[in-house]
Amino acid sequence: EDQVTQSPEALRLQEGESSSLNCSYTVSGLRGLFWYRQDPGKGPEFLFTLYSAGEEKEKERLKATLTKKESFLHITAPKPEDSATYLCAVQPEYGNKLVFGAGTILRVKS
Amino acid sequence: DAGITQSPRHKVTETGTPVTLRCHQTENHRYMYWYRQDPGHGLRLIHYSYGVKDTDKGEVSDGYSVSRSKTEDFLLTLESATSSQTSVYFCAGGAGEGTEAFFGQGTRLTVV
Repeated sequence: EDQVTQSPEALRLQEGESSSLNCSYTVSGLRGLFWYRQDPGKGPEFLFTLYSAGEEKEKERLKATLTKKESFLHITAPKPEDSATYLCAVQPEYGNKLVFGAGTILRVKS
Repeated sequence: DAGITQSPRHKVTETGTPVTLRCHQTENHRYMYWYRQDPGHGLRLIHYSYGVKDTDKGEVSDGYSVSRSKTEDFLLTLESATSSQTSVYFCAGGAGEGTEAFFGQGTRLTVV
């Protein structure tokens, strides 16, 4: 069964305090791994797609990396506006569904 | 929202009544998805479509049906609403094949 586990469930950071969010997955062949950001009351907003181990993608203070069993979302010098729920999803090799983790709630205090 | 519009945005309905949620897209996405989001569970797939009149079940499909008569529209029907179907429902669309999906703003459904 395809499964995605995100940790921690919640993370509180001070502004400028860098950290990482984890997404571990078991999947029958990985077609793609996706990171989304979700603000309260809104739909998930696409951030990154990663396809193969060793791949990295960056956007502003965010950097996503991928290994064969997990992905990390590194947040460098976060700001309060980075506060959101971050969702990880995988697309198995067979089928076009996205399987999501439960998300990590990030709060950045000034 | 990348061209995904959901309606209504909020709905309160009574147990046992049928309910239809609508998703409209303007991006010609081949694949469309309905998810529900509940605390502690994340997003769970209800049904998805891979073309007009082509649909398949997700992991939580019991009590739900879908229809897609046009590329642009994907309807989710709760045949007889129950309190356990109180949730936030999200529609998404994408090209599939390892590419990202784009989400609508969600519909908050309360079954009383």
